[in-house]
This record gives sequence, structure tokens and C-alpha cells, in this order.
Amino acid sequence: DVKVTQSSRYLVKRTGEKVFLECVQDMDHENMFWYRQDPGLGLRLIYFSYDVKMKEKGDIPEGYSVSREKKERFSLILESASTNQTSMYLCASSLAAYQPQHFGDGTRLSIL
Amino acid sequence: DQQVKQNSPSLSVQEGRISILNCDYTNSMFDYFLWYKKYPAEGPTFLISISSIKDKNEDGRFTVFLNKSAKHLSLHIVPSQPGDSAVYFCAASEEYGGATNKLIFGTGTLLAVQP
Repeated sequence: DVKVTQSSRYLVKRTGEKVFLECVQDMDHENMFWYRQDPGLGLRLIYFSYDVKMKEKGDIPEGYSVSREKKERFSLILESASTNQTSMYLCASSLAAYQPQHFGDGTRLSIL
Repeated sequence: DQQVKQNSPSLSVQEGRISILNCDYTNSMFDYFLWYKKYPAEGPTFLISISSIKDKNEDGRFTVFLNKSAKHLSLHIVPSQPGDSAVYFCAASEEYGGATNKLIFGTGTLLAVQP
């Protein structure tokens, strides 16, 4: 079974802090993705990566950056956290194009 | 503008009956569609998918139907069980530069199966 592990289930940070969310997958998947889930808005794609050191903007990249130094690890960075970034953050990976994405259990991030 | 729409925020069904969840999309370039199920405090779990070259795909109690002319997707669950109670997301795939594909998700439908 594919395992996508997000480092924290719950996180509370303060406005202006730099926040790191970590995601690791154990199935040698090429593609990794970061989403946020908000009530009434579904899942929205923040950033994705289809290879090591490659990163592409999704639909809502503003205020975020990512890092993929190793194939198995994909980090989401909030450069200067703001209250409108309070959300559930979900990481996913897929083996290749047109293969299902497999999700971690999410990190519920609160920015105070 | 929402490219993938789930117009029913919630659905309640009796155990043993059929659940039908609907999804509409606007982009005719979408070529692969998926359904995910999500329980509270867990990540979405992949359920079933369908390529745009097909109009039906079945996996046990779950069947997905695709009507390309209407740009409409539906998920049928027969028979419905209380453990099926969850939020269901449909997603449509668009190719990204030949390297991978991106998923566009709907807003979800909360299914409640009553015992």
C-alpha cells in the first residue's frame, strides 16, 4: 500500500512566521502535490512537482513556495503566515500521469 | 470559475438503496475522471476512475458513468451501506505539458446513509 506521511496532524503558528509542512511518500512516485481544503471550496491545488527539483504553480500559489530536494520528500513553505492561510493542507503523490493520486491524512494549520 | 461542479452539497439515502452522486464539468479537454471518498480527519481515498474513451466503469458496488456530450459524471453506489457515509469528491484531469496531469476537484457531496 502507498504511504503518504505528513509530519504534523495539527499545527498552530503566529502571523508572520515562516511555516514548513513536510510530506514523505514511500512508493518512489514521480509526482507530488500540495492542496488546501476549505469548506465549500473543495480541494485546490497549490503547487506540484513531477521530478526532483522541479516545481510548478497550481491554481493558488500566492504566499506559498515548495521544495523537492529528494524524490520522496515534498515540502510546502508559508513564507510569512497570514490568518487567511488557516486551512487543512493535504499532500498527495502519484506514480505517473493518469494514475490515481494517493493522499496523506492532512495537516490542520491554524494561524493566529 | 468552477470547472468541476457538484451541485448537491448533501444527500441522504436509506441503507440498501442506491446512492447517486452527480458531477458536471465545463472543460471538454478533461480526459480522465476520478471519485474520491473522504472521512473526517483523514485524507481522501481513491475510489474509482474512468477514461474519457469509456462511458462506464464498474468496481464492486461502485459504478461511474460518463456522459461526454452532457459533460456529466455520476457515481452509483448499490447497495448503500452506513460505512459509505462520507464526503465524495469528483475530480477531472487535465494534462500538464506531457509530464504529468493536474486534478481539478469539485466541492464535494456529503453522503449520509441511514440504517
